[in-house]
Amino acid sequence: DIVMTQSPDSLAVSLGERATINCKSSQSVLYSSNNKNYLAWYQQKPGQPPKLLIYWASTRESGVPDRFSGSGSGTDFTLTISTLQAEDVGVYYCQQYYSIPLTFGPGTKVDI
Amino acid sequence: QVQLVQSGAEVKKPGASVKVSCKASGYTFTNYYIHWVRQAPGQGLEWMGIINPSGDTITYAQTFQGRVTVTRDTSTSTVYMELSSLRSEDAAVYYCATSMPATGYYFDFWGQGTLVTVSS
Repeated sequence: DIVMTQSPDSLAVSLGERATINCKSSQSVLYSSNNKNYLAWYQQKPGQPPKLLIYWASTRESGVPDRFSGSGSGTDFTLTISTLQAEDVGVYYCQQYYSIPLTFGPGTKVDI
Repeated sequence: QVQLVQSGAEVKKPGASVKVSCKASGYTFTNYYIHWVRQAPGQGLEWMGIINPSGDTITYAQTFQGRVTVTRDTSTSTVYMELSSLRSEDAAVYYCATSMPATGYYFDFWGQGTLVTVSS
């Protein structure tokens, strides 16, 4: 199984400041035949299901504000919130879909 | 638009089984795979399995092999997840979620979740 880790566990960021979340996979999730990284990011708010933000490591889902961006390749990935808004508070998860079983990182809690 | 509506909360005794439903609407039922993901209280997300509603192909996470059964009813656009031999550690919110066959197994739409409580 591919193990996903995230850092930090939590972070507090001032409104308008940048938040950076790191995700690492225990093996590469880059598929060489199509040069795509099988990595997604989700945001979860209390009492709600997760919401897809980013897939293919850097493709923003439709309707997701452009302050959210994803980067990285292979085993190391980053989710950046360029200017934190109050509504961005929540827990963020990375997920690999390179192989089954699909696995998630443990989550990073973002607070103001 | 795509909607997944799940059945209501359940309270079960240890050793019992629970069956959660996920009714899809707003799209052609066979166009999306449906996954089951669970989340224990205050914990992270755990993938349980996937069903291809058109071909009835099903894959389960090894962790749940032998205890989980996913089925579908194409006449009602509903997918079911049954978990047997429940133990306290199975107390969680269970979600269904979709992914498109033509893309990867990331989850673009989610149900609202079903809380399963396991208590004697």
